[in-house]
Amino acid sequence: RKEVEQDPGPFNVPEGATVAFNCTYSNSASQSFFWYRQDCRKEPKLLMSVYSSGNEDGRFTAQLNRASQYISLLIRDSKLSDSATYLCVVNRGAAGNKLTFGGGTRVLVKP
Amino acid sequence: DTAVSQTPKYLVTQMGNDKSIKCEQNLGHDTMYWYKQDSKKFLKIMFSYNNKELIINETVPNRFSPKSPDKAHLNLHINSLELGDSAVYFCASSQVTGPPRGTQYFGPGTRLLVL
Repeated sequence: RKEVEQDPGPFNVPEGATVAFNCTYSNSASQSFFWYRQDCRKEPKLLMSVYSSGNEDGRFTAQLNRASQYISLLIRDSKLSDSATYLCVVNRGAAGNKLTFGGGTRVLVKP
Repeated sequence: DTAVSQTPKYLVTQMGNDKSIKCEQNLGHDTMYWYKQDSKKFLKIMFSYNNKELIINETVPNRFSPKSPDKAHLNLHINSLELGDSAVYFCASSQVTGPPRGTQYFGPGTRLLVL
């Protein structure tokens, strides 16, 4: 079983719609959680950190469920520019801040 | 100004050759990383240096040797290149002590193709 698992998609989303997807992680000792975004042929970039209480950043909402070991990302009012691969990332807190990346969920926003 | 830069951006070479990729960060971070992203898009950590000291060394063939001359630079040398080494190699940096713990900044990547 992979340490961080995501539905690869693609999620085809009409512009203006809401899309949500999850990621599960296997190591219960994981300490911090992130969503990164990767555009085609570009580097990953931090989208947002994920906190236990849930957090929002504009149209993006992230939730963490430690009991069930999953993280979610919801995008409201989807824009064409939201088309990207969203990477779920977990930090186990080991030396060196080793990040473990999921395989990514591809989102395609269409007009 | 580029925060994390890598050279070269593209590298096409023959099997058996030796090549190096260079990385520099101007963010003042104390930790740098090398990642490999294969054709299936999985991003996997290879190495990490904190203040020039190797702290993460994943299961990577010993043909791969990282070198950090100072905390702003982390280079990757690959000996005897194989077809399976073809991938995108990303350098990243972070400040280990800063919140949120583990945020990393990536370079643009080096696309390596071994023929």
